[in-house]
Amino acid sequence: GQNIDQPTEMTATEGAIVQINCTYQTSGFNGLFWYQQHAGEAPTFLSYNVLDGLEEKGRFSSFLSRSKGYSYLLLKELQMKDSASYLCAVRRTGGFKTIFGAGTRLFVKA
Amino acid sequence: EADIYQTPRYLVIGTGKKITLECSQTMGHDKMYWYQQDPGMELHLIHYSYGVNSTEKGDLSSESTVSRIRTEHFPLTLESARPSHTSQYLCASSEAGVDTQYFGPGTRLTVL
Repeated sequence: GQNIDQPTEMTATEGAIVQINCTYQTSGFNGLFWYQQHAGEAPTFLSYNVLDGLEEKGRFSSFLSRSKGYSYLLLKELQMKDSASYLCAVRRTGGFKTIFGAGTRLFVKA
Repeated sequence: EADIYQTPRYLVIGTGKKITLECSQTMGHDKMYWYQQDPGMELHLIHYSYGVNSTEKGDLSSESTVSRIRTEHFPLTLESARPSHTSQYLCASSEAGVDTQYFGPGTRLTVL
């Protein structure tokens, strides 16, 4: 089967750095996405990793270790607008299959 | 910026009514999806399509149906709405390759 685990909630301070972890178990792994979803809105794409290592995109970075079934999203210089849910999603091989985790709700406080 | 649209954005209806939620995209994407999401909960795939005349049920059992007669259009229909259908419905599309999904703004449905 497949399973995606993320912490339910995290709190961090404006200007700080936060790391949101995601572990997964799946057959036929073919990439991992991170999406951001503000309350009441639709998810928006943040990053995609298919090879091991770190992908940096501005204040956001995403890391993948396929052998460990592990990824993290790193947010630097936190801003209040970063308060949102962050969804880890795993893409599988063989037809359509992208499985979304339940998401991590991040609260950024002043 | 993705161009994917959903109507209506909000809908309140009575039990037993038939409704159709509209979804259109102007990006020429072959793949389209419908998800159901309750507040604070995870996304559940209810239908997807690889292209015109191709539709499949997703992981979550649903009493809805979909059609894909045109590439840009992927409507979802509930023949007889029930209170258990109250939820947010999100439509998404993706192009071939990486399959990054672009989401519409969603339809928040309330069935009384």
